[in-house]
Amino acid sequence: GAVVSQHPSWVICKSGTSVKIECRSLDFQATTMFWYRQFPKQSLMLMATSNEGSKATYEQGVEKDKFLINHASLTLSTLTVTSAHPEDSSFYICSARGPLDYEQYFGPGTRLTVT
Amino acid sequence: SQELEQSPQSLIVQEGKNLTINCTSSKTLYGLYWYKQKYGEGLIFLMMLQKGGEEKSHEKITAKLDEKKQQSSLHITASQPSHAGIYLCGADRPPTSGTYKYIFGTGTRLKVLA
Repeated sequence: GAVVSQHPSWVICKSGTSVKIECRSLDFQATTMFWYRQFPKQSLMLMATSNEGSKATYEQGVEKDKFLINHASLTLSTLTVTSAHPEDSSFYICSARGPLDYEQYFGPGTRLTVT
Repeated sequence: SQELEQSPQSLIVQEGKNLTINCTSSKTLYGLYWYKQKYGEGLIFLMMLQKGGEEKSHEKITAKLDEKKQQSSLHITASQPSHAGIYLCGADRPPTSGTYKYIFGTGTRLKVLA
């Protein structure tokens, strides 16, 4: 089946620094990728929809300048958390829409801890 | 308010007991997915339902989608500690403009006591 990878799987950074998370579709082209955030004991909240070659569509309440999303190719989307703060510590998951419209493949997630 | 509401929010059951988790949408669902997850880990795909009235089973888990395609239930028979985790329903949302977006329900945390 289709595989989506995320890198890094976990990262610890200092407050004020920026962190980039990569999401790759390994064996298929994904015109659309999604980024989610999850806090402990909570569900996954959609942050933004990323379309290849165009600007990401952010959900209400998500800061565009804080969470920079780039979908430069059909197999790679990146999420950059800029000027990270402890409250940005969370679990981030990406997903990619597969070759068939109803398919959705999820990355294994990235655990971000900001100290 | 959440577009996909799950109930209950959390559930603690004794091993061997049956349980049901519900996922309700205010709009017609164009495909409903069930996942299991533990916080900090990836999603485990359980089942996908597309047709009204559809029912699928895998091992001790059965999922149904109602005829109106606005509510789905996940039923676990004879629960085991290995069933513990967060259960999430997911669905596509038609766009108001642009691309479909894929959202999750509010989640149900299940704990099974041995």
